[in-house]
Amino acid sequence: GAVVSQHPSWVICKSGTSVKIECRSLDFQATTMFWYRQFPKQSLMLMATSNEGSKATYEQGVEKDKFLINHASLTLSTLTVTSAHPEDSSFYICSARDRGRDGRTDTQYFGPGTRLTVL
Amino acid sequence: GDSVTQMEGPVTLSEEAFLTINCTYTATGYPSLFWYVQYPGEGLQLLLKATKADDKGSNKGFEATYRKETTSFHLEKGSVQVSDSAVYFCALRGGAGGTSYGKLTFGQGTILTVHP
Repeated sequence: GAVVSQHPSWVICKSGTSVKIECRSLDFQATTMFWYRQFPKQSLMLMATSNEGSKATYEQGVEKDKFLINHASLTLSTLTVTSAHPEDSSFYICSARDRGRDGRTDTQYFGPGTRLTVL
Repeated sequence: GDSVTQMEGPVTLSEEAFLTINCTYTATGYPSLFWYVQYPGEGLQLLLKATKADDKGSNKGFEATYRKETTSFHLEKGSVQVSDSAVYFCALRGGAGGTSYGKLTFGQGTILTVHP
C-alpha cells in the first residue's frame, strides 16, 4: 500500500527554538495532507489541513503563526513549530490523502509520527 | 460538532478469545466510519471501513457494521491472535451535509494486548 514517511521520527530541542517536521508521500501525489497532534493516551486532534499550492486551513484554537505549514509540492508538506515551548511537546502525525488516478477513491495514509520534546 | 466515543482500555485477552471494542458516534450529515490500527512504532493503518448504513466492513478477520439506528460501529473478531496486539482507533469522516465534511474525527483509542 501507499506509504507516508515523516522526518525526523523524534527530536529534542531547547525552549525558544524552531523545529521543522517533514511529511512525504512516497508513491502517490497528495494534493491534501493533514497534521494531527496526539497527547499521551488521547485521541488524534486535527490541527490543520494542508493543500498543495495554497494556504493551510487551521482548526479552531490552533495558532497558525506558531505552527507554520508549507505544502510546496504534491509529495511534501512541512510543519514548523516556531519558538517551541515545553507545552508543545507532543506526538505529531501527518497523513496524506490519496484520491487515486481516477479520483474515485479517497484514502488517507498516515505517517509514523514525530515525537517532539521541548526542554 | 462530530464526535466519536470508544470503549476505554486497555483490553487484555488470551489468544483465540472473542474481541469486541465498542464505538459510538455523533455526527451531522452522512458520515463514513473507519477503524484504524496502530502497531507499536508504526503509523495508523486503515483496518476497515463502511460508507453507508448497514454496510459491513471486514478485513483480517475483523468486522464492523454501520448501525445508523444506534449510531454505532463496534469492532469484532472471533478469535484474536498475539499479533493483533495494537491500539485501535474508531473514526468518522464527515459526509455531505455535515459540519466536518471530509475531515476525520477520532475516538481516543483502545489498547489491545493479547497473551499466548
